[in-house]
Amino acid sequence: GIQVEQSPPDLILQEGANSTLRCNFSDSVNNLQWFHQNPWGQLINLFYIPSGTKQNGRLSATTVATERYSLLYISSSQTTDSGVYFCAAKAAGNKLTFGGGTRVLVKP
Amino acid sequence: KAGVTQTPRYLIKTRGQQVTLSCSPISGHRSVSWYQQTPGQGLQFLFEYFSETQRNKGNFPGRFSGRQFSNSRSEMNVSTLELGDSALYLCASSPDSNPNSPLHFGNGTRLTVT
Repeated sequence: GIQVEQSPPDLILQEGANSTLRCNFSDSVNNLQWFHQNPWGQLINLFYIPSGTKQNGRLSATTVATERYSLLYISSSQTTDSGVYFCAAKAAGNKLTFGGGTRVLVKP
Repeated sequence: KAGVTQTPRYLIKTRGQQVTLSCSPISGHRSVSWYQQTPGQGLQFLFEYFSETQRNKGNFPGRFSGRQFSNSRSEMNVSTLELGDSALYLCASSPDSNPNSPLHFGNGTRLTVT
């Protein structure tokens, strides 16, 4: 099945800083999603982005399907951005596979 | 619109027992999928249902089973519980038959097996 790898595994930011999270996948995908898991365990869907670029407030994401990677940008980070960010990818006919996540801590 | 509702939130069981977890999707959503999250294995896909039919299944033993009802509510069952089944079980729903639709997750059920 498809392999999904995220980097870095951990990220410590000062409030106000910008950051980039990366997701590499091993096969062509028709489904790529980014999630944020808050400290209480809930997964929030940030982006559905199998290709192209999307923006939502301070967050934006870009997927370059031909090169098999996706990037999540966090700008002007806030303490509420802390948590674990997951990307999940799916190749045709297969199940949605999650990466190992990037744990983000934003310090005030 | 109410979100995905999972019950119960917390559960403590003993090895060898069985457990049933419930998931009510967002109103109008017909697809429900289940995931297991553990510190060691991360998030792993269990199964997916659409219109009462299992559409896809992950690599879990037969002790893990699920079903979906005509109102789209879903249950998963784990029989003969093992210590390693302790995990956060997450349910997600999506609106239509497209298996590539964005997922909306519930708050999860945290199962502890002693």
